[in-house]
Formats: sequence, C-alpha cells, structure tokens
Amino acid sequence: DAGVIQSPRHEVTEMGQEVTLRCKPISGHNSLFWYRQTMMRGLELLIYFNNNVPIDDSGMPEDRFSAKMPNASFSTLKIQPSEPRDSAVYFCASSPGISPLHFGNGTRLTVT
Amino acid sequence: AQSVTQLGSHVSVSEGALVLLRCNYSSSVPPYLFWYVQYPNQGLQLLLKYTSAATLVKGINGFEAEFKKSETSFHLTKPSAHMSDAAEYFCAVSDAGGTSYGKLTFGQGTILTVHP
Repeated sequence: DAGVIQSPRHEVTEMGQEVTLRCKPISGHNSLFWYRQTMMRGLELLIYFNNNVPIDDSGMPEDRFSAKMPNASFSTLKIQPSEPRDSAVYFCASSPGISPLHFGNGTRLTVT
Repeated sequence: AQSVTQLGSHVSVSEGALVLLRCNYSSSVPPYLFWYVQYPNQGLQLLLKYTSAATLVKGINGFEAEFKKSETSFHLTKPSAHMSDAAEYFCAVSDAGGTSYGKLTFGQGTILTVHP
C-alpha cells in the first residue's frame, strides 16, 4: 500500500501564475477529498468526490479554484490565477466510501 | 451541521505524565468521531475512531478515547507521555449515516509538547 501520493511536495510560484496540484488516491478507495491547512483557518475541506463525481464543492474559495477527477486514480486541484493568500498546505485524502480518511503528505504552496 | 471544539491550542506535559487532550463535538445525528495526529511536514495519521460500538476506544501508540454522549465529549488520553508523542492532534467528526461519504469536520488542533 503506497498510500495517497501528492505532487509536488513544494511549489513556489509568483502571483498570477497557474498552479496545478496532483493526487493519486489509494487503489480501491472511491472517495477523494481536498483539504487546505493554514495557521489562521486550520483544516478546511475544499471539495470531495465520490466515484469520480464531485459531491460538494462548497468549500472552494472562489472561481479561481477548480478540481477534477478524470478517473479513479488521479485528481488535480488547479488555481488560476494564484494569489499570495492561497499560500497554504494542500492535502489530498482518500477513503473507501465511509471514513476514516487516509491523507497524503501534502503540497506546501507559496505564492509570492 | 457538525462542529468540533478542541479545548486548549497548546498542551505541555512532562515525559511520563498523563496526556489529556479535550474534544467536544456538536452533531444533529449520531456521530463518528476520530483523532488524528500530525507530525511536522507530514499528513494526518489516524490514531483511533469511534463508530458507535464500544464507548472506550483504543488506538495506536497507547492512546485511547472515551465517547461520552451526555457530555458530547471525546477526550484523548495516554497514561504516560513519551517524547515521540510531541505533535499536533486533531479531533474530527463525521456523519455516521454515511451520506456524506466520509466527509470530516476537524477541530483547530492541539499542539502537544513533551518535556524531558
């Protein structure tokens, strides 16, 4: 079991640039979640998918954020254009339908 | 709506002392409850979970938690702290009905410091 794999581990970009974060869930898990972690707001759920279908995207901050899950083994979270306030650690997690969640090691995004 | 409140953003104990991290939840339906631990620069790891079976739940690394419905609490304890327990701990709640597909609501976290 390789666990949830996220890439890149670190991303530094300039304001206005497009950023794409990637996630490979654990094989056989049919639910996938994107969380954002900041000092001020803690862990926030951005969006989650079940069987590749977005179920709840109410946590997505604004239209600059988008997420896709084209198949059961891959998901992306895109920010376009990025802003300094998007700086955070972004976690992907997967689960076999019902919790508990299995988390990746996160992508630390810095937008300058 | 569900919510979690962790009392105390920082807890400091001596090595060998009792660890007590407090968590209170709010849920309109029977909850599933979880404790996760996060070490620096890592993702969250599951410590233990309550899913409506035994109210006293044992987890990894000697941790346990007791579900008390009357107090809406799920406090995490460990009889004797070890230096390696220093980390941030998160309490989380989920809809036990399963319709939320495992969506968790997390508390703000408690940073545990262990002194020699």
